[in-house]
Amino acid sequence: AQSVTQLGSHVSVSEGALVLLRCNYSSSVPPYLFWYVQYPNQGLQLLLKYTTGATLVKGINGFEAEFKKSETSFHLTKPSAHMSDAAEYFCAVRGNTGFQKLVFGTGTRLLVSP
Amino acid sequence: ETGVTQTPRHLVMGMTNKKSLKCEQHLGHNAMYWYKQSAKKPLELMFVYSLEERVENNSVPSRFSPECPNSSHLFLHLHTLQPEDSALYLCASSQLDSNTEAFFGQGTRLTVV
Repeated sequence: AQSVTQLGSHVSVSEGALVLLRCNYSSSVPPYLFWYVQYPNQGLQLLLKYTTGATLVKGINGFEAEFKKSETSFHLTKPSAHMSDAAEYFCAVRGNTGFQKLVFGTGTRLLVSP
Repeated sequence: ETGVTQTPRHLVMGMTNKKSLKCEQHLGHNAMYWYKQSAKKPLELMFVYSLEERVENNSVPSRFSPECPNSSHLFLHLHTLQPEDSALYLCASSQLDSNTEAFFGQGTRLTVV
């Protein structure tokens, strides 16, 4: 079985500051890991994903995340926040074999102030 | 445009009404999902269809009735809903046995009055 914990339901940063959104997972099989972003009244859009290979993955809009197996973490970062980054971010995990449903965290709302 | 289209985008219905939400995917995926997203609550997986067969039903009340006539279309039939059913309903699709992500529609914002 898989589960995801996102620490902090809200994260506030100033424009230009580092963005760090935390995600820890548990999985009984090697995981696939995803970060999605959701703007108000919109669906979820994929930011980036880890499946196999390089543990540092780069996504859209300057975001990246690092898969750390020893820490069971997949934190999302961006060096410099933009006002347009204000949204809700969801971390998700699924197993890498057979039919494995996508399990989401509770989400983190990113607030960016000028 | 994500390849998953949901209609309508907004729906207001009375508790005695019957309505349906529609989802269509143009990605050739073999699995489709309904999620419910309520304010201040985690994303809830409602139903999963794999190759047009329902493979998961997460204790959803019978007033929600899914239908998957083919691998490209998914419906959620609604009847005698309650105000607490007001939420954003999201459809998604994916390709099983692959490392690709799930693709989401824009959602239907449902308000039950």
